[in-house]
Amino acid sequence: GAGVSQSPRYKVAKRGQDVALRCDPISGHVSLFWYQQALGQGPEFLTYFQNEAQLDKSGLPSDRFFAERPEGSVSTLKIQRTQQEDSAVYLCASSLRVGENYGYTFGSGTRLTVV
Amino acid sequence: GNSVTQMEGPVTLSEEAFLTINCTYTATGYPSLFWYVQYPGEGLQLLLKATKADDKGSNKGFEATYRKETTSFHLEKGSVQVSDSAVYFCALSWGKFQFGAGTQVVVTP
Repeated sequence: GAGVSQSPRYKVAKRGQDVALRCDPISGHVSLFWYQQALGQGPEFLTYFQNEAQLDKSGLPSDRFFAERPEGSVSTLKIQRTQQEDSAVYLCASSLRVGENYGYTFGSGTRLTVV
Repeated sequence: GNSVTQMEGPVTLSEEAFLTINCTYTATGYPSLFWYVQYPGEGLQLLLKATKADDKGSNKGFEATYRKETTSFHLEKGSVQVSDSAVYFCALSWGKFQFGAGTQVVVTP
């Protein structure tokens, strides 16, 4: 597609519920990132994929967070047993190439509210 | 570790005023530097970037120069418009991004 698409746009989950957030990157983009943006803060790195390989998951805050990109295109971020502190906007970004010189295209994010 | 520090907002300006948003960073080596902008309800959009010392990034009237000696990447625009109202994020990248906390800019008519 023309941009990075994320769904759902908004998600309200009850504490303890599992959620799955979807990211459709730009077609052909190799690199894919997930970020977590708390209210009033800058995005914080969660995890990075190069094609289907998850090369860095050092930012995932706990083992309740899991991400996958099985065919190297669409990615899903799953959060199990959600907690209130998981409330944030989850941003996905993709890039055609690998490397620090390339800016990434961000999606509009999924706003997760845990009640 | 790497970090990015931005001036706190909100920054409130009148239309056609001069805008500066300070950004300094801490990093080993010389990462690439970026400014992203986030309009209400939208994702981050790349505004400009610089990949090495003394590079100047520019876009839509905004400019920022990569200053190695002061580890800074301040964003400037000579004459702001109401449509420039947004949150601006400074970031450095070693492949993954380290963002600052963001600076909200409000431009009034």
